[in-house]
Parts: sequence; C-alpha cells; structure tokens
Amino acid sequence: DIQMTQSPSSLSASVGDRVTITCRASQSISTSLNWYQQKPGKAPNLLIYAAYSLQTGVPSRFSGSGSGTDFTLTISSLQPEDFATYYCQQSYATLPYTFGQGTKLEIK
Amino acid sequence: EVQLVESGGGLVQPGGSLRLSCEASGFIFSNYWMHWVRQVPGKGPVWVSRINSDGFSTKYADSVKGRFTISRDNAKNTLYLLMDSLRADDTAVYYCARGTVSGSVDCWGQGTLVTVSS
Repeated sequence: DIQMTQSPSSLSASVGDRVTITCRASQSISTSLNWYQQKPGKAPNLLIYAAYSLQTGVPSRFSGSGSGTDFTLTISSLQPEDFATYYCQQSYATLPYTFGQGTKLEIK
Repeated sequence: EVQLVESGGGLVQPGGSLRLSCEASGFIFSNYWMHWVRQVPGKGPVWVSRINSDGFSTKYADSVKGRFTISRDNAKNTLYLLMDSLRADDTAVYYCARGTVSGSVDCWGQGTLVTVSS
C-alpha cells in the first residue's frame, strides 16, 4: 500500500497568516492527490482534488500544488473558520486509497 | 441538495454482525461509485470498501476482506455494508461517501458509530 506522510502534525497560526501543509507519498502518485478539511464531530470536506483543482464552493484562498511524491496545501490568508484538521489522500491506480495522519491547525 | 444519511450503527459484541445503510438523495445514485470509509476519533480516515455504479464490482481493504460485504440497491438509492465477525478494532465512525472520477470523495454522510465491545 502507498503510505502518506503529512507534516507538520500540528501547527499554530494566526488569522491572516499564510500556512503551508506538506504531504509526501511513499511512491510516485502523479497528481492523484486530494485534500480534505475536517472539523470536530463532522465528516471530512473535499477542498482540492487531483493535486491542484479547487472543489466547487471552496474559497480561493485554498490552493494545492505538487506532483510525484511531494505535495502542498496552502491557505493564503487564514480565516477563523479554517482552524480544523487537514488530511491528504492518494487515489493513484488501484485501491486501497490511503490517507495521511492529519495536520491539526490551531489558533495561536 | 446532495445528501447521504447513514443508519444502523450501534453497540455489538465481538463476533457479532451489523448492517449499515446509507440512503442517498439529490443526485442520480446509480451513476456513481460509492465507498465506505471509517475513522477512529482522533485518527485519520481509513478506506474500507468500494462498489461500482452497477454493483457488480467490489473492493475491500485487507483488514475487512472476507468479513464485510458492500452492496447497493439502485432502485432504493441505498448503499449497504454488512459487517460480520466484528472485532474490537472495527470500532469507528463509518461514513458512506460518493466517489469521483479523480478518486476523491466529494460527498460524505454524517457518519454512524459502530462500537464492538463485550
């Protein structure tokens, strides 16, 4: 199975900050990488698919980049509603699709 | 509005069985591949199973293969997960989710908690 490793595991930031979260795959996955946001007690919500495509309805302050094994999720200017846990997920070739362990974004 | 509503979770003893259901609305259910994903609180999501749009192709995580069965009834817009021989490490919130061509999941249910304990 392809392993996904996110860094950092947690991050403290302030409203208005620019934040970057990294996800690394254990083998090349082309651009088959998706990002989700999850708030406590809620299901994950798709933000970015295929590495850099913004899901409909997601604010443009979210962006994704990368290919191969290294990917990033960037939030250009943090808003209060962005404090949550973020997960990457690979969807390359055959199943199982695997998720990263998560990055918890907290208010500084 | 696209909506997925799970039901059927609860407390079950080790070795027991449970059937989860997921009722879909707001989209053409029969056009989509569907997934079950589970999550232990405080941990990352884990993919469990997938079924294609007509129900004739299924895939499972190794951890549930031979114990869980995914199925669907397109006439009823409903997805199912039959879970047999349940173990303590199957305890989690189970989400029904809609798949996309990119392999992402673009719609999730609210989740149903399955607790396996004596």
